[in-house]
Amino acid sequence: DTGVSQDPRHKITKRGQNVTFRCDPISEHNRLYWYRQTLGQGPEFLTYFQNEAQLEKSRLLSDRFSAERPKGSFSTLEIQRTEQGDSAMYLCASSLGGVAQPQHFGDGTRLSIL
Amino acid sequence: AQKVTQAQTEISVVEKEDVTLDCVYETRDTTYYLFWYKQPPSGELVFLIRRNSFDEQNEISGRYSWNFQKSTSSFNFTITASQVVDSAVYFCALKETSGSRLTFGEGTQLTVNP
Repeated sequence: DTGVSQDPRHKITKRGQNVTFRCDPISEHNRLYWYRQTLGQGPEFLTYFQNEAQLEKSRLLSDRFSAERPKGSFSTLEIQRTEQGDSAMYLCASSLGGVAQPQHFGDGTRLSIL
Repeated sequence: AQKVTQAQTEISVVEKEDVTLDCVYETRDTTYYLFWYKQPPSGELVFLIRRNSFDEQNEISGRYSWNFQKSTSSFNFTITASQVVDSAVYFCALKETSGSRLTFGEGTQLTVNP
């Protein structure tokens, strides 16, 4: 069983640029989540998909952020017009259906804004 | 709103000592789930255990044990005979049945010295 895969592992970009991250969940998992983690803090929820439907979005997800999961498999998270405050680790997780199922996380994408 | 508090920011022990990581949570739901995750320096969050709110039996898995007390809203994690490889940040998380997100505490950095 391969785990959750995220690409790239690191992204350095200048303020104002757009960035896109990809997440490939565990193959049989129909639920996919995005979290953001800043240094010294726990992960904070951003958004959640069940299959291709985006069912929940956090207030943290400003208009500059958009996430998609077009075929219910991989997902992308795009940040437009990046700002210094966007520097963080972006974590993707997936799970089976069912409220009690644990979420399994990828290694994350570390975003640094110059 | 749900909240998880891990009051211990950092703990440092010597190998073979026992160590307990504290977790206190707040929720209005009567049914919920509690989780512990480990985040080693490599960054990936590793799922350790899940506990249902209606099951207060304590659990032991090898050197790990968990003490869930609903009366005090606590879900503490004990590592017996700690090892250097246990060094990591440990997160406690809460999931309400009314939602999909995990709410994490701020984490406890555990350092086990040889």
